[in-house]
This record gives sequence, C-alpha cells and structure tokens, in this order.
Amino acid sequence: GQQLNQSPQSMFIQEGEDVSMNCTSSSIFNTWLWYKQDPGEGPVLLIALYKAGELTSNGRLTAQFGITRKDSFLNISASIPSDVGIYFCAGQGDTGTASKLTFGTGTRLQVTL
Amino acid sequence: GAVVSQHPSRVICKSGTSVKIECRSLDFQATTMFWYRQFPKQSLMLMATSNEGSKATYEQGVEKDKFLINHASLTLSTLTVTSAHPEDSSFYICSARGLFGGLTDTQYFGPGTRLTVL
Repeated sequence: GQQLNQSPQSMFIQEGEDVSMNCTSSSIFNTWLWYKQDPGEGPVLLIALYKAGELTSNGRLTAQFGITRKDSFLNISASIPSDVGIYFCAGQGDTGTASKLTFGTGTRLQVTL
Repeated sequence: GAVVSQHPSRVICKSGTSVKIECRSLDFQATTMFWYRQFPKQSLMLMATSNEGSKATYEQGVEKDKFLINHASLTLSTLTVTSAHPEDSSFYICSARGLFGGLTDTQYFGPGTRLTVL
C-alpha cells in the first residue's frame, strides 16, 4: 500500500536541542496526524491538523499542515530524554470509506544526554 | 478517555494453530475498528477495516480467510490468525474510531499484540 515519505529516517540529538521532521505525499490529504510510538507499544496521537496552513502546538510540539495539503512538519523544542521513540505522520482522506489512515515511514529519534 | 485495550499483549504459538486477538474500546463506542500489522523497524500497514455488524473490508494482498475479523459489538473486535506460520509473526495493532467528545474521525490505538509463531 501507499506510504508517506518521512525525513529524516533517524536522528541523534543532544538533550535541549530542537528537532524538526517532515512528511511528504504524492496525494492530497484532508487531515494530517502525528503519532509517537514507544518500543512494544501502540502509537499515541500527538497532534491533529484539519486545515491547510494550520499551525498547531501541544506543549513543546508544533506541527503544520502544508498549504498544498501534500506535506506536514513536526517540530519538537528543547528535547528531553523521554522524547526518544519513533514518530509517524499519517494522512487521512475524506470521511466515510476513504477515512482510513496512511502512515509515513517513520522518524526514529534518539536523544543523548 | 478514549482508551483501547488489546488482549493478549504477547502470544507464542506453534505453527498450524489459530490465535485470536481481542480489541476493546473501553470508554466509547467504536463504530469502526482497524487492524494493522507492523514488522520490525517498519511502519504500520493497514490490514482491514471493520464496521460493527458488517463484514470487514480487507486491504489488497491480505487474505481474508487467513485473518478472520469479527466486529460483533460497538466495543469489541477480534482478529483470528488461522493456521499461523512463522511468517505471520508480527506486531498486530488495532485502532478504534467512534463518537467521543465530538471527535468522530480520530483513531485511538491499542497497545498492540506481539505474535510469535514457532
């Protein structure tokens, strides 16, 4: 099935640094979502974006819905050790039968002290 | 709120046996449940979508006779892996979507079930 491209694939950063990752698609989505997955766990929703151009924050996290509806980015400010994990973007089409999620390839984040 | 549970969290079985995985929405009614499979270091891949009381819709390449899905109530969906083989070993994750706090389209994920077939 289709997957969204995320970059970078992985990153090592020091505690306190800011992190930026993005997600691109060849298709238009009406909703963009960002999830974090810890090892052996299911994904947890971080931020949901519903309008093109929308910029939304959740604590140290900020995400934007690209104006073309084909991309999104996620920023994490002042990273801390518990930010370690895999971050997935997901795009969702219209409601109803087309409302299933298409996941990105993931960005693995590792934070060093 | 919006808690989704899965049972069991881990299961080891012999090749050729069948395994049932349960997915429950604990504090909301899930009109739709989704089943995903995730191989190590890979993303989540949707296997099937199920609506309460109707047959599941399977994604291309997923064998419906091998992965039986039953969504008998608004809070429970089950995935049965029939005649499991080692290549079916994976992390199976369900998600549920329904009316909760006015957000009708948000999917909430379960903690996953690690299946190992020997």
